[in-house]
Formats: sequence, structure tokens, C-alpha cells
Amino acid sequence: GAVVSQHPSWVICKSGTSVKIECRSLDFQATTMFWYRQFPKQSLMLMATSNEGSKATYEQGVEKDKFLINHASLTLSTLTVTSAHPEDSSFYICSAETGVSGTEAFFGQGTRLTVV
Amino acid sequence: QKEVEQDPGPLSVPEGAIVSLNCTYSNSAFQYFMWYRQYSRKGPELLMYTYSSGNKEDGRFTAQVDKSSKYISLFIRDSQPSDSATYLCAMSHGNNRLAFGKGNQVVVIP
Repeated sequence: GAVVSQHPSWVICKSGTSVKIECRSLDFQATTMFWYRQFPKQSLMLMATSNEGSKATYEQGVEKDKFLINHASLTLSTLTVTSAHPEDSSFYICSAETGVSGTEAFFGQGTRLTVV
Repeated sequence: QKEVEQDPGPLSVPEGAIVSLNCTYSNSAFQYFMWYRQYSRKGPELLMYTYSSGNKEDGRFTAQVDKSSKYISLFIRDSQPSDSATYLCAMSHGNNRLAFGKGNQVVVIP
């Protein structure tokens, strides 16, 4: 299947700093990329939908000024957590979609963010 | 009411047993039904998907969809220790936005 690479796999940062997470589709061009957040033993919660060259669409309750998403090309989307706080500590996962049905979504390996 | 309900209770079974997982949903517009497997600290990987009602089999895995009851199931036959993971159901309208269940942690005991 298609490969989505997410980097870094884990990061520890100090409160107040910013962290950038990259999501790359390695062998295909993704029309749409998604960013999710997952708390322990919880479901994946969609944060935003990202289309190349346009502004991301954020889900209700997600602060767009805090979670900056850039989708500069068909193979790269980035999520920047700005002014991180301990409550932002979570598992962040991206996915890249090759179709439109949701059945062709390929996920990155996730990034464990710990804010201290 | 959440769109997708999946009882997150952990499930432990002996090796070789049948694992039975299920989800219910409230939105009748869902057309695509997926099952993902997620190992600890990894992203989900797609196991199977089904379009509309019916059964689909892939090796030891069988997915069932009953749209009239808004109920989907995943069965794993002859379970192996390597099947130990969290299994998430997911659904979409066909617009590539996925709604996930909470996931079931499955432990297959050798």
C-alpha cells in the first residue's frame, strides 16, 4: 500500500515553545491530508482537513491559530503546535487520501508530543 | 449521541479463538465501513473496508455490515498473538471524512 511518513515520531518540548510535525506521502500525491489527535484509549479526533494550496478547514473547537497547518505541495503537509502547553501533549496522526470515499486513506506512524 | 459507538473494553482471548468486534452508528448516510488495526504508538493501518451491506472475507478476517440495524462487525478466526492490537472501526459518507470508534484493545494469549 501507499506510504505516509510522519516526522518526528516523538518530541519533548518546553512549555511555550512551538513544534512542527511533518507528514509526507512518499509514493503518491495526496489530494487531501488530515490531522488527527488521539488521547490514550480514545478514538482519533479529526482536527483539520488540509488541501494543497488552500487554507485548512478546522473542526469545531480546534484553535486554528494554535494548530497551524501548511500544505505546500501534494506530498507534504505540516502541523505546527504554537506556544505549546502540557495539555497539548497527545498523539498526533496524519493521513493522506488518494480517493474520495475514505477507503484510500493511509496513515502516518504518529507523533507523540510531550510538553513539559 | 456519538456518530460511531464502539465499546472500548479490552478483550483477551486464547490463541486460536475467534475474536468478535462490533460497532454501531447513528448516521444512515454512512456508506463505507472500515476496520483499522493500530499497534501501540503507531498509526492505524487499514484491514478491510466494505461498501454498503453484506459480508467481506479476507483470509482470517471477516467484516459484516448490517445497514438496517446500523451495526458492523469484524471477526478474526484462528487468532494469533500477532493479532494483539487495537481495532478501530471507521465510517464515511464517501466524502473522505472518517468517523472513528474508540477502538477495542485485543490481547491474544499464547
